[in-house]
Amino acid sequence: GQNIDQPTEMTATEGAIVQINCTYQTSGFNGLFWYQQHAGEAPTFLSYNVLDGLEEKGRFSSFLSRSKGYSYLLLKELQMKDSASYLCAVRDSNYQLIWGAGTKLIIKP
Amino acid sequence: ETGVTQTPRHLVMGMTNKKSLKCEQHLGHNAMYWYKQSAKKPLELMFVYNFKEQTENNSVPSRFSPECPNSSHLFLHLHTLQPEDSALYLCASSRDIYEQYFGPGTRLTVT
Repeated sequence: GQNIDQPTEMTATEGAIVQINCTYQTSGFNGLFWYQQHAGEAPTFLSYNVLDGLEEKGRFSSFLSRSKGYSYLLLKELQMKDSASYLCAVRDSNYQLIWGAGTKLIIKP
Repeated sequence: ETGVTQTPRHLVMGMTNKKSLKCEQHLGHNAMYWYKQSAKKPLELMFVYNFKEQTENNSVPSRFSPECPNSSHLFLHLHTLQPEDSALYLCASSRDIYEQYFGPGTRLTVT
């Protein structure tokens, strides 16, 4: 079967750096997405990786290793507003998105 | 006007009621999606439409009936639901296979 694994919950301190990991086993691979979802709100697109390596976008970066079936989202200079759930999703060989259950990130002052 | 809108935002319905959820996208996208989001579970894709044609139906019970009259509007008709159908229902749209843009969702409670 197809599976996306992410930690259920993580805690970090304001101003620090946190890395949220995502491992996947899917039938084929056509890209990996990261979304942010604040409580009670819609998921919003953060990043997309289809080739190995690091994609940087301001305070957020996303890394992909296709050979390892592994990605991470790196958040720097954490702010209280970064408290949210972070969803990892992989597009499989049929171009269907397979979603992880999300990682709830709690930022403490 | 925001990109993807959904109405109503909250809905409480009895198991014998019939109601409909509405989604509208103002982004010029060709694909639209219905998802179910339950607490601590992955997003469950329910239906996909591409240029008004249904391209996916992921074994969704017939008590959920989608309708896509055009590329900008998507409905989810609900009837004789069960308490376990209580969840957040999210609509999304995309241009082809690119990133999806989500609406704020409808929080559905079935009593």
